[in-house]
This record gives sequence, C-alpha cells and structure tokens, in this order.
Amino acid sequence: DGGITQSPKYLFRKEGQNVTLSCEQNLNHDAMYWYRQDPGQGLRLIYYSQIVNDFQKGDIAEGYSVSREKKESFPLTVTSAQKNPTAFYLCASSIGRVGNTGELFFGEGSRLTVL
Amino acid sequence: AQTVTQSQPEMSVQEAETVTLSCTYDTSESNYYLFWYKQPPSRQMILVIRQEAYKQQNATENRFSVNFQKAAKSFSLKISDSQLGDTAMYFCAFMIQYNNNDMRFGAGTRLTVKP
Repeated sequence: DGGITQSPKYLFRKEGQNVTLSCEQNLNHDAMYWYRQDPGQGLRLIYYSQIVNDFQKGDIAEGYSVSREKKESFPLTVTSAQKNPTAFYLCASSIGRVGNTGELFFGEGSRLTVL
Repeated sequence: AQTVTQSQPEMSVQEAETVTLSCTYDTSESNYYLFWYKQPPSRQMILVIRQEAYKQQNATENRFSVNFQKAAKSFSLKISDSQLGDTAMYFCAFMIQYNNNDMRFGAGTRLTVKP
C-alpha cells in the first residue's frame, strides 16, 4: 500500500533534548512538508522540500531543522531552541509542481510531549 | 497574505440529517484552489473535496458538496445523509494555483454525528 509513515506515534521528551521525527513516503512524490497542529490554530507549515537536497523554511521554522537526503525521507528535528514544542506534528507529501492538483497526502501524525 | 476562517469550532448533527460547515477566505489572487480535508479521530487526514476557483460549478463528491461563492469568498461544505463515520475535524484550506508550499488552513470544525 502506498502512503506516508510517521514514527513514532507518541514521543516524550525532557526539556533541553533534541528529538527527531521520522517521515517516509512510497508515493514517489517530489514534495514533502512538515506541519504543526495546535488546538484552535489549524495547521502551520514548518518546513517544506520540493526536491531532494533542497528545503525551505515555512512560517514557524524557528527551533526546527530538516534534511532531505532521499526522495522518500524527510525527517524533522525538534531542537532545544523550540520554546513550545508540545504539539501534534503532521508530515505530508504532494506530486510537486508538475501535474500538481494541490492535494496533500498526510501521515498519521506524531504527538510530541515535553515533560 | 491569504487567510482562512472557520467560524464554527464545533458542530453536531443527527445521523441521516444534513449539516453545513462554513468557511471564508481572503485573497487578492484570481487563480487558486480550495479544499476540505477530514481528520477522523486517530486517523490520517484525507481530502474530501476540491474546487478550482475558475470553475463556476460547485464540486460534488457523493454525499459531500460545496457552495462556492467567489465574490463573497465563501466556501461551505454540505454533508448530506450524515453517517457516524463522518465524525471528524474538518479543515478548510486555500492554495494559490501551482504554489502548494503555501497551503493555508483554517482552525477547523469538530463535527460530531449523533446516532
């Protein structure tokens, strides 16, 4: 089955620790995204990548970092510099600019709690 | 900047009845897409319906239809014959054509279908 896999589903972190969230897709999509979801605020874009070895900051990139070494993988690191990291994180992918219908395909999400 | 507003944080409907979720948006662009995404409890977010701004005809997908009023910048979702499986968060989203690294989401409406 094609789709997006995020892991772990739940993660607990102590203050001051970095943590990395995994996102893998087998849809052969060029573009991948990381969103943060907070109650009452919808989804906000953290980082996106349109192609391997290239990524751009979204609206709330401070305290986060990403890499895109492979087409299938787009891991997100939540660093100790992120002041309020407790949230639900969603990874998504899309075809990219060519043949773009605008549809995003989402993973099941990772819930990060800072203790 | 594009903004999306969902003014109903929570709604409920009886099974088999019809419910309408509201969404308004603000943009100066002419070519764009509008979307409704569904996020069931503990499950992946999926696309429900999509509308291209240049199309006057309202999109329909089985029991889901939209009322797209371009001049009023309104994009409501109607769910007919509501089913228990329709219980979910519903997000309205906006994207300028060919620019899906800038998908804007509303805050969401939590819909509960009651038996």
